[in-house]
Amino acid sequence: DAGVTQSPTHLIKTRGQQVTLRCSPKSGHDTVSWYQQALGQGPQFIFQYYEEEERQRGNFPDRFSGHQFPNYSSELNVNALLLGDSALYLCASSLQADTQYFGPGTRLTVL
Amino acid sequence: QQQVKQSPQSLIVQKGGIPIINCAYENTAFDYFPWYQQFPGKGPALLIAIRPDVSEKKEGRFTISFNKSAKQFSLHIMDSQPGDSATYFCAATSGGTGNQFYFGTGTSLTVIP
Repeated sequence: DAGVTQSPTHLIKTRGQQVTLRCSPKSGHDTVSWYQQALGQGPQFIFQYYEEEERQRGNFPDRFSGHQFPNYSSELNVNALLLGDSALYLCASSLQADTQYFGPGTRLTVL
Repeated sequence: QQQVKQSPQSLIVQKGGIPIINCAYENTAFDYFPWYQQFPGKGPALLIAIRPDVSEKKEGRFTISFNKSAKQFSLHIMDSQPGDSATYFCAATSGGTGNQFYFGTGTSLTVIP
């Protein structure tokens, strides 16, 4: 049984560019949450998707958007990249329950 | 503001010691408190979790102690091993569905052989 998978593993972009990160939830899970983890910090909640809708959003600007597909996989899009967007982006999946399982993350570097 | 406060920031113990990591919260609506372990370059892995209806939970060498009145909970690692060297995060959330996790700032644990 595959756990949460994310792609790509690493990504390098320049300021102003746009990026799309992808996540496949753990088998049987229907809810996907995205987090940003800056170096040396705890994960910060970006938003959560359930039934292809954004159900809850953290304190992140509209440059951060997402999507969930019918197969429960999800994308995180970030527009107009800033240097401060450099971080590890984590996807977590759950089955309408408290327990969230994290993927390995995508390391984004903005130059 | 920080919903969950975690301490200490770093911890060094000898092999076999019992490191203790503490977390405190303010929101009494929180009803699920997990601990995650994270190795460099990896995503957080769920270690153990507790709900407020119990004061202690053990899984293997890991124990959570929960003090509802003080709004504090802690992780104890029994017989710590060098392989336990990692960053540990506490978290809290409310409700079962559609609620975000609030994470502490992390504790970097080093277990010396």
